[in-house]
Amino acid sequence: EIVMTQSPATLSVSPGERATLSCRASQSVRSNLAWYQQKPGQAPRLLMYGASTRATGIPARFSGSGSGTEFTLTISSLQSEDFAVYYCQHYNDWLTFGGGTKVEIK
Amino acid sequence: QVQLQQSGPGLVTPSQTLSLTCAISGDSVSSNSAAWTWIRQSPSRGLEWLGRTYYRSKWSTNYALSMQSRMTITPDTSKNQFSLQLNSVTPEDSAVYYCARDRCSGGDNCYLAYYDFWGQGTLVTVSS
Repeated sequence: EIVMTQSPATLSVSPGERATLSCRASQSVRSNLAWYQQKPGQAPRLLMYGASTRATGIPARFSGSGSGTEFTLTISSLQSEDFAVYYCQHYNDWLTFGGGTKVEIK
Repeated sequence: QVQLQQSGPGLVTPSQTLSLTCAISGDSVSSNSAAWTWIRQSPSRGLEWLGRTYYRSKWSTNYALSMQSRMTITPDTSKNQFSLQLNSVTPEDSAVYYCARDRCSGGDNCYLAYYDFWGQGTLVTVSS
């Protein structure tokens, strides 16, 4: 099973600042990676798939990059609605989710 | 817009059967470009894929290895929904259960992919 490791576990950021979240796979998943945002009491929301393609309706301040084993989700200028938990998920020959990064207000 | 509406009890007695249903609107359970999936989330296990069903000239169902002995996912074309049954539950099965649409690729192979629409979630507690 491919293990997805996210870092940091918690990221404290001020509104308007840039946030960079990392996701590492224990072996290559090519570009078969998705990112989700989850707020308390809600289901995860798809942000990105194919490592760098924004899902429908996702603002341009969200961007994804990487391939193989190293991936990054960047939020260019944090808005109040962006404070949440973010998960990565690979789908390269099965799937697993990462443990999440909580983005909190600094 | 696709919407998934979950229903089912939030409290299940140990050793009994957990049953949840996911009603689909805006798409079809028989879609040839999606699969219909159950995922659960708990503090101890995180997000855990449980299984899915999909139609590509015939119905197929896949289960997580840890679940396949006691899980059944069933499509219902007449109601455009799909259901989850998990037998012999224990407190370790307590979690928030989600249904979701998998935009699987590969035509008839329906390779696992990502989840673009989710149900609202059902908190299931296994307790006597």
